[in-house]
Amino acid sequence: AQTVTQSQPEMSVQEAETVTLSCTYDTSESDYYLFWYKQPPSRQMILVIRQEAYKQQNATENRFSVNFQKAAKSFSLKISDSQLGDAAMYFCAYRLAQGGSEKLVFGKGTKLTVNP
Amino acid sequence: EPEVTQTPSHQVTQMGQEVILRCVPISNHLYFYWYRQILGQKVEFLVSFYNNEISEKSEIFDDQFSVERPDGSNFTLKIRSTKLEDSAMYFCASSDGRERTDTQYFGPGTRLTVL
Repeated sequence: AQTVTQSQPEMSVQEAETVTLSCTYDTSESDYYLFWYKQPPSRQMILVIRQEAYKQQNATENRFSVNFQKAAKSFSLKISDSQLGDAAMYFCAYRLAQGGSEKLVFGKGTKLTVNP
Repeated sequence: EPEVTQTPSHQVTQMGQEVILRCVPISNHLYFYWYRQILGQKVEFLVSFYNNEISEKSEIFDDQFSVERPDGSNFTLKIRSTKLEDSAMYFCASSDGRERTDTQYFGPGTRLTVL
């Protein structure tokens, strides 16, 4: 069974600084997707960034980027120039590629605090 | 931008009662999901629904749960006889189903409190 592990229950960062959130996963599959979702205090989960396992290039979305290490099964999220609005729970998630299971498997989350 | 909506935002019920949680997925999406998040724990998959039938369900999704798409827009989760341990945040999600990199879009959730 696939599992996702986020080893940092809480992280904090100063506004305008950079922070990296860790995620590791376990799977025997070769074709899958990885996601980072953000869950602000209002509790609606929002997709931050996604990575396709067959792509070697790391995904980037503005201030958000990932470090995808397929062999190490590691998928960390880097937030640059942190803003107060980045404060939220961040969930790493895994899903098999289309044709397999559609379900998302989530990690336990990392609570990010941004200090002014 | 289209969004997934859920009603109610908060539902309080007595143990043993039936509840129906409602969701309106994004209109052109083909796959629908329910997840739940017990307070302080990870988000867990319950069920996926495609082409008017369940395509996958987890061990959590036992006989007390059912899902339905009663019309062209709503997607519901029914819990027949609620238990204390059903207290959780329930999230509906939908996805296009036609793209390889299929992203699931989540609603704001319904907080279910079973007393």
